[in-house]
Amino acid sequence: GENVEQHPSTLSVQEGDSAVIKCTYSDSASNYFPWYKQELGKGPQLIIDIRSNVGEKKDQRIAVTLNKTAKHFSLHITETQPEDSAVYFCAASPPPSGGSYIPTFGRGTSLIVHP
Amino acid sequence: GAGVSQSPSNKVTEKGKDVELRCDPISGHTALYWYRQSLGQGLEFLIYFQGNSAPDKSGLPSDRFSAERTGGSVSTLTIQRTQQEDSAVYLCASSFNPESPLHFGNGTRLTVT
Repeated sequence: GENVEQHPSTLSVQEGDSAVIKCTYSDSASNYFPWYKQELGKGPQLIIDIRSNVGEKKDQRIAVTLNKTAKHFSLHITETQPEDSAVYFCAASPPPSGGSYIPTFGRGTSLIVHP
Repeated sequence: GAGVSQSPSNKVTEKGKDVELRCDPISGHTALYWYRQSLGQGLEFLIYFQGNSAPDKSGLPSDRFSAERTGGSVSTLTIQRTQQEDSAVYLCASSFNPESPLHFGNGTRLTVT
C-alpha cells in the first residue's frame, strides 16, 4: 500500500518568514495530493490540492509543488502570520482499487508562527 | 449547508464498556470515511463506505470495531469492550465522490478509563 513520509514534524518560524513542509510517497500510481490544516479541537480542513498532471499550484500565500519523478510534493507558505499556526497534513491518493479510494496521510507538521 | 457533524464531541467510558460514535455526512456525499487520530499522531484509516458497495474494512484494528452506514447517509462506529488503547479522537469525513477532497467533522474524543 501507499506510504507517506512528512517532514519536519515541528516547524517554528517568525511572522513574515516562509515555511516549507515536504512529503514523499511510495506508490507511483498516486495521482491526487491534498493538504489539510488542523486547528486545535477541530477536524482537518482542505487548504490546497494538486493532481498529478500539474507541477505547481498557487492560492494567495500558499503554493504546492509536485515532482512525480522523485515522488515528492511540498507545501509553501509565504509571509506567515500567527493564524497560520496549526498542524498540517499531506496526503496521497492512488487511483481506485477494488472500489476503494483511500487517501494515506502523513504524520503531520506542527507549524508555530511567532509574532 | 451544514458540514460533517459528529456526536458526541466527547465520550468518557470505562474499560470493557461498548461505545457508539455517530457521523452525519454532508448531504449528497457518497463516500464516507472513519479515521483515528491518537495524541500527536497522524490519521489512521479505519473504514470506507462508497454508495451501496460493500465497505472497505481493511483498516479496522480488531474485531471489536465495526461500523455501518444506514441508507447511504448516517454512519455509526461501534467499539465493543473498550480498552485504554482505544483512547483517541475518531474523525469522520465525507466526500462528494471518491476523487473529491474530504470534508472532516470535528471528531469525537474518546477516553477509556
